[in-house]
Amino acid sequence: KAGVTQTPRYLIKTRGQQVTLSCSPISGHRSVSWYQQTPGQGLQFLFEYFSETQRNKGNFPGRFSGRQFSNSRSEMNVSTLELGDSALYLCASSLQDGFNYGYTFGSGTRLTVV
Amino acid sequence: DAKTTQPPSMDCAEGRAANLPCNHSTISGNEYVYWYRQIHSQGPQYIIHGLKNNETNEMASLIITEDRKSSTLILPHATLRDTAVYYCIVRGHTGTASKLTFGTGTRLQVTL
Repeated sequence: KAGVTQTPRYLIKTRGQQVTLSCSPISGHRSVSWYQQTPGQGLQFLFEYFSETQRNKGNFPGRFSGRQFSNSRSEMNVSTLELGDSALYLCASSLQDGFNYGYTFGSGTRLTVV
Repeated sequence: DAKTTQPPSMDCAEGRAANLPCNHSTISGNEYVYWYRQIHSQGPQYIIHGLKNNETNEMASLIITEDRKSSTLILPHATLRDTAVYYCIVRGHTGTASKLTFGTGTRLQVTL
């Protein structure tokens, strides 16, 4: 079966711009989570959506937002980009809560802010 | 979620067993131990999880001590493709415990 698909794979943006990243979960998976990975902070949880509702949120500023559509596809948006937002953004999906079979991660979108 | 402590790096010869330790001395009774790994330039991959009994699947075995304060992930016959960063994560199974809290992990280098 198809895995978690994230688009685009690479992105270069300028400070102050905004960006939207997309994630298509595995078919049938209703939970989609987003993570940010940087060399300094490692992997950090951003938020999780389940059935179009945000179920959990990490400790990130309001510039980071997301949403989930009825087909479970998810987008995350970062407004007013800062240099420190340069990171690998990872999306993960699971049937419900990742308890029994874990989360399946995509390969990520590498965002560079210049 | 309980904090975990892992050695920053380990080496293993190809074909030998790789034993990756993890300390989680503050784990609570309803928290599970999960292991993920991240191969360079890829997203993390789920390996295995357990509560208090030893677990085995096609990828690895998980040994949890009786007091549950530590665990060991065992890759029985390591290959070069097992070179990755391995993360030990402790999380509960309550409805809102949907996030994974990653530490710094153990960088496993498998060599010929």
